[in-house]
Amino acid sequence: GAGVSQSPSNKVTEKGKDVELRCDPISGHTALYWYRQSLGQGLEFLIYFQGNSAPDKSGLPSDRFSAERTGGSVSTLTIQRTQQEDSAVYLCASSPYGGRQETQYFGPGTRLLVL
Amino acid sequence: QKEVEQDPGPLSVPEGAIVSLNCTYSNSAFQYFMWYRQYSRKGPELLMYTYSSGNKEDGRFTAQVDKSSKYISLFIRDSQPSDSATYLCAMISGGSNYKLTFGKGTLLTVNP
Repeated sequence: GAGVSQSPSNKVTEKGKDVELRCDPISGHTALYWYRQSLGQGLEFLIYFQGNSAPDKSGLPSDRFSAERTGGSVSTLTIQRTQQEDSAVYLCASSPYGGRQETQYFGPGTRLLVL
Repeated sequence: QKEVEQDPGPLSVPEGAIVSLNCTYSNSAFQYFMWYRQYSRKGPELLMYTYSSGNKEDGRFTAQVDKSSKYISLFIRDSQPSDSATYLCAMISGGSNYKLTFGKGTLLTVNP
């Protein structure tokens, strides 16, 4: 079946612009995660959605970052007023229910470059 | 000090070699341990999952956890060029259901 998909694959933007990154999780998965992968910091947790529960936003690095998940499926990560340090690969993952023994299935990522 | 330390390499070995990849961690709350493999320009994929000290074997891969030393390892036997990738260790604490904490990853190249 189809895996996690993300769009766009690559995004180049100018400093100060807003960007939106999209994630389509595996059908039927109620848990969705966003991570950021950068050269200096490795892979870092950003935000977690599970069903209709309030999201865990504890990993968002600043208030310029926000995410929503509409209808329990597609998620959008928005970065406002982008900075050069936001350049990274943004990875989305999903799992059936969000339990610790579940496999998190990752998408291919969106490569963001802020000039 | 980061919660999870992993030597970034790069590590280059000849085909058929035994590869040893390692992570150390400082947070004793970590109870679940994973190894992910990430090919270039792809997302990570789960290789191994363990939740107790000891060894777990799956084909050519063996995951080892030593909670007393806060040390985990992944061994790859009879390494193949197709094993060339970045290997990431990841952990979940007992108090969390979902928040993975990753090492920075080790880049492995297996030369034919």
